[in-house]
Amino acid sequence: SYALTQPPSVSVSPGQTASITCSGNNLGDIYACWYQQKPGQSPVLVIYQDTKRPSGIPERFSGSNSGNTATLTISGTQAMDEADYYCQAWNSATVVFGGGTRLTVL
Amino acid sequence: QITLKESGPTLVKATQTLTLTCTFSGFSLRTNSVGVGWIRQPPGKALEFLALHYWDDDKRYSPSLKSRLTLTKDTSKNQVVLTMTNMDPVDTATYYCVHSLRYYGSGRAVDAFDVWGQGTKVTVSS
Repeated sequence: SYALTQPPSVSVSPGQTASITCSGNNLGDIYACWYQQKPGQSPVLVIYQDTKRPSGIPERFSGSNSGNTATLTISGTQAMDEADYYCQAWNSATVVFGGGTRLTVL
Repeated sequence: QITLKESGPTLVKATQTLTLTCTFSGFSLRTNSVGVGWIRQPPGKALEFLALHYWDDDKRYSPSLKSRLTLTKDTSKNQVVLTMTNMDPVDTATYYCVHSLRYYGSGRAVDAFDVWGQGTKVTVSS
């Protein structure tokens, strides 16, 4: 079955750029989405179709997808961005989620 | 404004059947490209897709759980119901109802889950 692999944790200093990767076989051939989940809250869609931001998501969130890797980039990271992030894709007519990455802003 | 709310038991016993209801508002499940689905999250673990009901009555299930899952809808009540048979303690999780939209482009498509319910915690006792 298809698998998406994320690093368990990423750390970033406030104001710096955070990059969270998601790896899967030929992931660049399909669309990726990203979700943010803060403690005790439901996930929120932050990127869809590789690069698009839903209404209300700050411009500092951006995405890319090529080859075997999709990347979520947060520019000028703020303390409020500290959260778990999950990538998601469709493969063989089913949904696959990555294992999640905890972003720490310190 | 799109909202979804999950309802159902908070505690079930092993081998029992779980029935969860998602009641939604602000959209119609008859609208092209729209879906209502279920995703769960065991405590401290990652998100796991369960099932998705599309506007055209097509359905998708997790391959690993397909034999235990059934989705039905009641359009008049704006509800989608998930049943999961033969519950086990490993099924203890928060179960989320989600609204999905299908996006197309460059010969590809993806269903993104753009609105989530608050989630309902289900504990399975042995």
